[in-house]
Amino acid sequence: QKEVEQDPGPLSVPEGAIVSLNCTYSNSAFQYFMWYRQYSRKGPELLMYTYSSGNKEDGRFTAQVDKSSKYISLFIRDSQPSDSATYLCAMSDYGGSQGNLIFGKGTKLSVKP
Amino acid sequence: DGGITQSPKYLFRKEGQNVTLSCEQNLNHDAMYWYRQDPGQGLRLIYYSQIVNDFQKGDIAEGYSVSREKKESFPLTVTSAQKNPTAFYLCASSIPGRGHQPQHFGDGTRLSIL
Repeated sequence: QKEVEQDPGPLSVPEGAIVSLNCTYSNSAFQYFMWYRQYSRKGPELLMYTYSSGNKEDGRFTAQVDKSSKYISLFIRDSQPSDSATYLCAMSDYGGSQGNLIFGKGTKLSVKP
Repeated sequence: DGGITQSPKYLFRKEGQNVTLSCEQNLNHDAMYWYRQDPGQGLRLIYYSQIVNDFQKGDIAEGYSVSREKKESFPLTVTSAQKNPTAFYLCASSIPGRGHQPQHFGDGTRLSIL
């Protein structure tokens, strides 16, 4: 079983839809959870950063972490064509080293006008 | 504006050639990282450095080398020993310290074989 699983998509939705992106993981030591957005031919851009379980909201974006189920989600409300990108989840246990950030493979999202 | 600058955007390597990818940051971050991204794959860590003159191997360090002589700079050399170098290379930086800090990325260098 891979450490982090993420459905690659592609996911296509109409403009204005609510989008749900998810990752599951196997390492119960993970404490820090991130979502990155990556446009084509660009580097990943940090969208959301959460610690432990719970919800975090920033504008149209909501990140949820359920450590008991080892499951994290990113919700996008009122999706826009400019949200079309690949979304990467990432997580870390911070075992004293900064080099242990584990990424999902990314979900490609397309928002149609 | 603070950020991470990677150059060049596109690079071509001939057989048996070493090539060096540049990464410069003006965020005053101590930690820097190199990742490789292949189509349909997650980011894989090549090397990281938490402080000047120190660096550690990541998961796929074979065929790569780095140096960290200045805080702002973390160049990556793809050597001729790396038999499958075609990929998108991403540099990142973060503030090390108590608790985990998120990583911020540059816009990458796409390396191809001639």
